[in-house]
Amino acid sequence: AQRVTQPEKLLSVFKGAPVELKCNYSYSGSPELFWYVQYSRQRLQLLLRHISRESIKGFTADLNKGETSFHLKKPFAQEEDSAMYYCALPCQGAQKLVFGQGTRLTINP
Amino acid sequence: GAGVSQSPSNKVTEKGKDVELRCDPISGHTALYWYRQSLGQGLEFLIYFQGNSAPDKSGLPSDRFSAERTGGSVSTLTIQRTQQEDSAVYLCASTVGVSYEQYFGPGTRLTVT
Repeated sequence: AQRVTQPEKLLSVFKGAPVELKCNYSYSGSPELFWYVQYSRQRLQLLLRHISRESIKGFTADLNKGETSFHLKKPFAQEEDSAMYYCALPCQGAQKLVFGQGTRLTINP
Repeated sequence: GAGVSQSPSNKVTEKGKDVELRCDPISGHTALYWYRQSLGQGLEFLIYFQGNSAPDKSGLPSDRFSAERTGGSVSTLTIQRTQQEDSAVYLCASTVGVSYEQYFGPGTRLTVT
């Protein structure tokens, strides 16, 4: 069965420091992976998807099939990056996503 | 156009009462999802509807939970005989076609006292 693991429930870094939110997955085949973000008092929304290979708000994520990981990275964290982040992948055989448990990122001034 | 809307935004109910939560998806979106978001549990899938197909109810935690989608648009999630562990934020999302980009509503915060 597909599974998404985000090992850190809480992550705190200082402004300007690099940040990495970890995501590991189990999936048979080549998955399509996503990062969703929920800022304070805002809706959960798509941040980026690996097939687009783009940088959104300075964040990037590379799919590493060997390590079955899709870590989200940003070289210099900003206070506005404080949010809840969820990693997700499609459920095989169904049109739905499997989400990780989420990581709450706090950027300290 | 308007995004996904949910009502009520907050609901406080007594243990044992039934509650109904409503979701209005984005017009034209064929798929609709319900999730439960709680501390320590992350984002938990409950049920999803895709067009006229039978809904995928595999995530409903007990038979006290049910949902329907009328006319391929508005959906109602019903929780019967609420328990304190049902307290959570219930999120609704919709997508167009077979896209995995889900558009979420603001959620309904349910508190069972």
